[in-house]
Amino acid sequence: GAGVSQSPSNKVTEKGKDVELRCDPISGHTALYWYRQSLGQGLEFLIYFQGNSAPDKSGLPSDRFSAERTGGSVSTLTIQRTQQEDSAVYLCASNPGTASYNEQFFGPGTRLTVL
Amino acid sequence: AQSVSQHNHHVILSEAASLELGCNYSYGGTVNLFWYVQYPGQHLQLLLKYFSGDPLVKGIKGFEAEFIKSKFSFNLRKPSVQWSDTAEYFCAVHGSSNTGKLIFGQGTTLQVKP
Repeated sequence: GAGVSQSPSNKVTEKGKDVELRCDPISGHTALYWYRQSLGQGLEFLIYFQGNSAPDKSGLPSDRFSAERTGGSVSTLTIQRTQQEDSAVYLCASNPGTASYNEQFFGPGTRLTVL
Repeated sequence: AQSVSQHNHHVILSEAASLELGCNYSYGGTVNLFWYVQYPGQHLQLLLKYFSGDPLVKGIKGFEAEFIKSKFSFNLRKPSVQWSDTAEYFCAVHGSSNTGKLIFGQGTTLQVKP
């Protein structure tokens, strides 16, 4: 079956512009996660969606970052007024969400470059 | 705050050498522990995980890891590495009080010389 897909694979934008990153999770997976991987850093948690529950937004670094998940499937991460420090690889993951030990399945990521 | 520390940032080994990558975490409750691997040009994928029972867990491609609760450690081992093990390795922790997020270490880049 299809894995987690993300688009675009690469995005170059100018400082101050808004960007939208898309994630299509594995079909049937109720949990969806966004992480950010900056150069030389580990993965940093951003936001987590589980079914119809309120999302865990505790990892969003500023109010310029927001995410939504429509219909319990596709998710969009939006970064407003991008800054150079937002340059990173943004990774999406999903899992069945029914147990804490479930493996998270990762997408290929979107590499964002802010000039 | 919860954290994960990977001691080695860059490891270079020759083929057939033994590997041990260190991982320590900071969390006082029940944990689930994971090692993920990212081969060049590929997605992150699960190498192995611990959630209960035998603290020595075996994963894919001959890797294993041992959970030592008293040391808050989950070190990754392989007796004999191959060139194809060249990749970046991430240790991650899920704490019982978390909503589902993983806390990742900074990653270790392993380079295996043929």
